[in-house]
Formats: sequence, structure tokens, C-alpha cells
Amino acid sequence: DIHLTQSPSSLSASVGDRITITCRASQSTSSYLNWYQQKPGKAPQLLIYSTSTLQSGVPSRFSGSGSGTDFTLTISSLQPEDFATYYCQQTYSIPYTFGQGTKLDIK
Amino acid sequence: QVQLLQSGAEVKKPGASVKISCRASGYTFTSNYIHWVRQAPGQGLEWMGIVNPSGGTTTYAQRLQGRVSMTRDTSTSTVYMELSSLRSDDTAVYYCARDLNRFGCFGNWGQGTLVTVSS
Repeated sequence: DIHLTQSPSSLSASVGDRITITCRASQSTSSYLNWYQQKPGKAPQLLIYSTSTLQSGVPSRFSGSGSGTDFTLTISSLQPEDFATYYCQQTYSIPYTFGQGTKLDIK
Repeated sequence: QVQLLQSGAEVKKPGASVKISCRASGYTFTSNYIHWVRQAPGQGLEWMGIVNPSGGTTTYAQRLQGRVSMTRDTSTSTVYMELSSLRSDDTAVYYCARDLNRFGCFGNWGQGTLVTVSS
């Protein structure tokens, strides 16, 4: 199984800040790396797929990059609605796996 | 618009089985795989398996093999997930999710079904 490790596990930031979350895979996932946002009591929502492709409707302040085993999610200027938990996911090989999550809260 | 509507919350005793439904609408049911993902209270996301609504083929997470079954009914555009021999650590919110056929990403999710296993 491919293990994904996110860092940090939690992050405090302010509206307007630029933040980066990293996701490291135990082996290469090629470009098959996706990012989701989850708010309390809600289902996850797809933000980015294939490392860097923004899902329709997702604001352009979100971006993704990386390759192989190291990937990042960047939010360029945090908005109040961005405070949530973020998960990376690999869909390169079954079983598909998720990172442990990064909880982003307001400083 | 695409919707995945799941059945309601369940409370089960250890050793029992639970069967959750996920009714799809707003797209051609047989065009996209459906995944099941669960989330224990306060925990992360765990992929459980995938079902092809077209042919009914399935692949399950190894740790759930023998306890999980995913089926579909094309006449009602519904996918089912049944989990047997329930234990307390199966207590979780269970989600179905539609594969967008783009690098395997999950583009639409059901609202979630809470399954509580308690004696």
C-alpha cells in the first residue's frame, strides 16, 4: 500500500495568509495525487486532481504542484471559508489511500 | 445536477450486518465507478472499495475482504454497500463517491451515513 504523510497535521493562520501543505508518498504516485477539503459534518469536496488541475468551481487561490513522491497544496490568500481540514489522496494504485489530514484553523 | 443520496443512519449490535444504499441521479449511472469511503469519529478517510455500475465488478480493501460486499441495481441507479460481522471500530460515517474518470478522483460525494455499532 502507498502511505501518504501530510505535514503539518495542524496549522493556525490568519485571513490573507499564504499557506502550504505538503504530502509525501512512500512510493511514486506519478501524477495521481488529489486534494480534498472537508468541513465539520460535511462530506469531503474535491479541490485539485492530477496534482495541479483545479476542479470546476474551485477558486484560483488554490493551487497544487509536485511530482513523484512530493506534493504541495497552496492557498495564496486565506479566506474565512477556507478554514477546514485538507486531505491528499493517491489514486495511482489500489488500495487508494489518503493522508492523515491537515486541520487549518484561525489564528 | 449530479446527486448521490444515501440511506439514513443505522444503529447495529456487534456481529450484525448493515446495508447502506446510494442512489445516483443527474448523470448516466453506468458511466462512472462508485467508491465507498468511511470516516471514524474524529479520524481520517479510509477507502473501502470500488464498484463498476456497468458490469458490477468490485475491488475491496484487503482489510475488509470477506466482510464487505458492494452491489448495484441499474434499474434504480443505486449502489449498495453491506458490511457484516460488525465491530465497535466499524462505527463511522460511510460515504459513497463518484469517480470522475479523471485520474481516479472522487468528484461527487453522498451526504454520508452514520453507522453506530454498540451493544
